[in-house]
Amino acid sequence: AQTIHQWPVAEIKAVGSPLSLGCTIKGKSSPNLYWYWQATGGTLQQLFYSITVGQVESVVQLNLSASRPKDDQFILSTEKLLLSHSGFYLCAWSLGLGGGAETLYFGSGTRLTVL
Amino acid sequence: AQSVTQPDARVTVSEGASLQLRCKYSYFGTPYLFWYVQYPRQGLQLLLKYYPGDPVVQGVNGFEAEFSKSNSSFHLRKASVHWSDWAVYFCAVSSQGTGSKLSFGKGAKLTVSP
Repeated sequence: AQTIHQWPVAEIKAVGSPLSLGCTIKGKSSPNLYWYWQATGGTLQQLFYSITVGQVESVVQLNLSASRPKDDQFILSTEKLLLSHSGFYLCAWSLGLGGGAETLYFGSGTRLTVL
Repeated sequence: AQSVTQPDARVTVSEGASLQLRCKYSYFGTPYLFWYVQYPRQGLQLLLKYYPGDPVVQGVNGFEAEFSKSNSSFHLRKASVHWSDWAVYFCAVSSQGTGSKLSFGKGAKLTVSP
């Protein structure tokens, strides 16, 4: 069975400090990977997606970047946090079969508070 | 552009009563539709999904949803709500192809009263 693990569970960071969030998927080779952001009490917004190692597509510009250094790993980062980065970050994967719409499976998320 | 509207941000239902959460979508062509549930401080879990075919879709924990092309709707229903259903419910529509983009509604927060 596939498992998705996000780290850390929560972070409290200062404005202007760097950030790195991670996500690992086990039990599935070559998945499509996604980062979503959820403002407190709000809906979810897709930030990035990746269909293969080393390739990441940006969907929304929020002064964040993403990388996929390994097939099973997806990293979200920034060098300088803003207050507006606070929220809940969710990593997700899909089968990557192409063609029709795919079901996304989400991790348990990282709650980020920027002070 | 694809989008989803959930008109009821907060819904309160008595335990044992029936539930309907509304979802209206906007999509050019045949949509792929999903309902996800988010329990407090957790990630999202898939309840059910609609791919073109039978308009009534069965999901987990007694949930079902009905697709209507004429009404551009995908409403979620449950015959008898349990206290454990207390959560936020998101409707979503997906594009096809590479890097499927799932567009979510704003969510409906369900409170279950005793």
